[in-house]
Amino acid sequence: DVKVTQSSRYLVKRTGEKVFLECVQDMDHENMFWYRQDPGLGLRLIYFSYDVKMKEKGDIPEGYSVSREKKERFSLILESASTNQTSMYLCASRRFELNTGELFFGEGSRLTVL
Amino acid sequence: KNQVEQSPQSLIILEGKNCTLQCNYTVSPFSNLRWYKQDTGRGPVSLTIMTFSENTKSNGRYTATLDADTKQSSLHITASQLSDSASYICVVSANTGGFKTIFGAGTRLFVKA
Repeated sequence: DVKVTQSSRYLVKRTGEKVFLECVQDMDHENMFWYRQDPGLGLRLIYFSYDVKMKEKGDIPEGYSVSREKKERFSLILESASTNQTSMYLCASRRFELNTGELFFGEGSRLTVL
Repeated sequence: KNQVEQSPQSLIILEGKNCTLQCNYTVSPFSNLRWYKQDTGRGPVSLTIMTFSENTKSNGRYTATLDADTKQSSLHITASQLSDSASYICVVSANTGGFKTIFGAGTRLFVKA
């Protein structure tokens, strides 16, 4: 079975702290994504990566950065967390198919910034 | 502007009843439409995929329809079960040569015993 694993289900951080969210997939997928999910809004794309060491900004990249040093791992970094970054963060992966492939999601990481 | 709108926002039904969820989109050029189910505290899981030429597709008690002319899709759930309580998200992908996938805000379904 396809598996996308996010390192932390729940995190509580203080304003200004650096936050790392890690995501690992075991399907050898080329594409990986980070989304945030807020009530009443659809999933919004933060960053995505087509392949190792490649990254592209999504719709809401401000305040975030990413790292993809290995194919199976895609990390989301909040350099200085702010309260408006309190959200559910979802990682996803997909085989390299232009816009047709199914996205496989992790369980999500719920981040609270105080 | 590429948009996906779902209705209703939330829905409460009794176990055993049927229901239909709606999705309207303005994404262009259209590539495909997927319905995902997201259980509380879990990540979304794909239920169905529909391309331009497909009108209906079933997955067990779930039946999705697509009208590409009116840019509308529906997800019909037959004989609902308590385990159907979840959010259902309509996701439309655009065939732009790059990655463009638009998510609806979802419909929250509550099935009561």
